Amino acid sequence: EPEVTQTPSHQVTQMGQEVILRCVPISNHLYFYWYRQILGQKVEFLVSFYNNEISEKSEIFDDQFSVERPDGSNFTLKIRSTKLEDSAMYFCASIYLGVGYGYTFGSGTRLTVV
Amino acid sequence: AQKVTQAQTEISVVEKEDVTLDCVYETRDTTYYLFWYKQPPSGELVFLIRRNSFDEQNEISGRYSWNFQKSTSSFNFTITASQVVDSAVYFCALSDPYGGSQGNLIFGKGTKLSVKP
Repeated sequence: EPEVTQTPSHQVTQMGQEVILRCVPISNHLYFYWYRQILGQKVEFLVSFYNNEISEKSEIFDDQFSVERPDGSNFTLKIRSTKLEDSAMYFCASIYLGVGYGYTFGSGTRLTVV
Repeated sequence: AQKVTQAQTEISVVEKEDVTLDCVYETRDTTYYLFWYKQPPSGELVFLIRRNSFDEQNEISGRYSWNFQKSTSSFNFTITASQVVDSAVYFCALSDPYGGSQGNLIFGKGTKLSVKP
């Protein structure tokens, strides 16, 4: 069964550093997402991406965050200057045509900012 | 505003007991989707079920069953004869209609289920 692949599985970074989280969505999917889960809390929507541009973003997704799909297969989330409160599990997801087709989530990247 | 409430923060049962996880949602839209995900200790999100708002039939998949009732805006999840491997955090989620067909997901806070041998 096709999978959404995320790398790395765990990243530790120093406060103020830039990090890039990588995702390879399922090849024929059209919509891509990043979600965040702070330890012990609920999963929260960050951003959705379609047709090479952001289609929606949440209040969490401020100027420190950016996404891009640089080469038609990878989908990246960049945090420009990490803060302690950015420590969380970050999930990438993709869907085919619409939510009725169901989400496929990656296994997540655990980001720890020290 | 769209909202998902999972009132049970933690549930502890003994193996072979049946357990029901509650989910109540709020939405103004007539077309929406509801989901359940399992998050084991390893952290990934495992898809369990998707249900659209026009299909109120209950569903059974092995030991798992789901009861969708629009009249009470509930989408409850029952595990029959629970097993230790069912121990996980379970999330109920609602598609955000204002995300259009893309349907960004709104998650509940989750219910942590512990099944003891």
